[in-house]
Amino acid sequence: DIVLTQSPGTLSLSPGERATLSCRASQSVSSSYLAWYQQKPGQAPRLLIYGASSRATGIPARFSGSGSGTDFTLTISRLEPEDFAVYYCQQYSTSPRWTFGQGTKVAIK
Amino acid sequence: QVQLVESGGGVVQPGGSLRLSCAASGFIFSSFGMNWVRQAPGKGLEWVAFIRYDGSNKYYADSVKGRFTISRDNSKNTLYLQMNSLRAEDTAVYYCAKWQWLGGYYFDYWGQGTLVTVSS
Repeated sequence: DIVLTQSPGTLSLSPGERATLSCRASQSVSSSYLAWYQQKPGQAPRLLIYGASSRATGIPARFSGSGSGTDFTLTISRLEPEDFAVYYCQQYSTSPRWTFGQGTKVAIK
Repeated sequence: QVQLVESGGGVVQPGGSLRLSCAASGFIFSSFGMNWVRQAPGKGLEWVAFIRYDGSNKYYADSVKGRFTISRDNSKNTLYLQMNSLRAEDTAVYYCAKWQWLGGYYFDYWGQGTLVTVSS
């Protein structure tokens, strides 16, 4: 099974700063099958990015995704107060099955 | 708008059974594959099961294979998860999630979740 490793575990930043979150796969992943989700406490996950770089409907332009192969990145250009949350990457592999990274918490510094 | 509403969670003893439901609205339910994803308290997300749009194929995580059964009733726009032989490690919030294939394979809508607690 493909393992997704997210880093850092926690990112402590101030509003207005740039956040760069990493997701590394144990084997090459098709970019089409890489997605990012945001989860706030007590809420369900929300789709942010699909196909590694396409923003989901209603997602602000400050969120962007990039990468290919085994290395993917979620960037938040300028953090807004509502962006402090946990972020998960997800990949699909044939079987079918889906796996998630362990998550990165973006915390207020 | 798309809505997914889970129900059926609760407290159950180890070895017991529970059936979760997910009522869908706002989209053509019979055209989309559906998933169950769970999250243990304070932990990350774990995919549990997937069912194709017509129920013809079902797939499971190794951790639940042989104990859980995913099913759907397209006439009722409802997804189910029958959970048998429950263990303490099955304690989690269970989410249903709609599968989307446009531009990739991902989950574009999620329900609010239902809590399952396995404890004696």
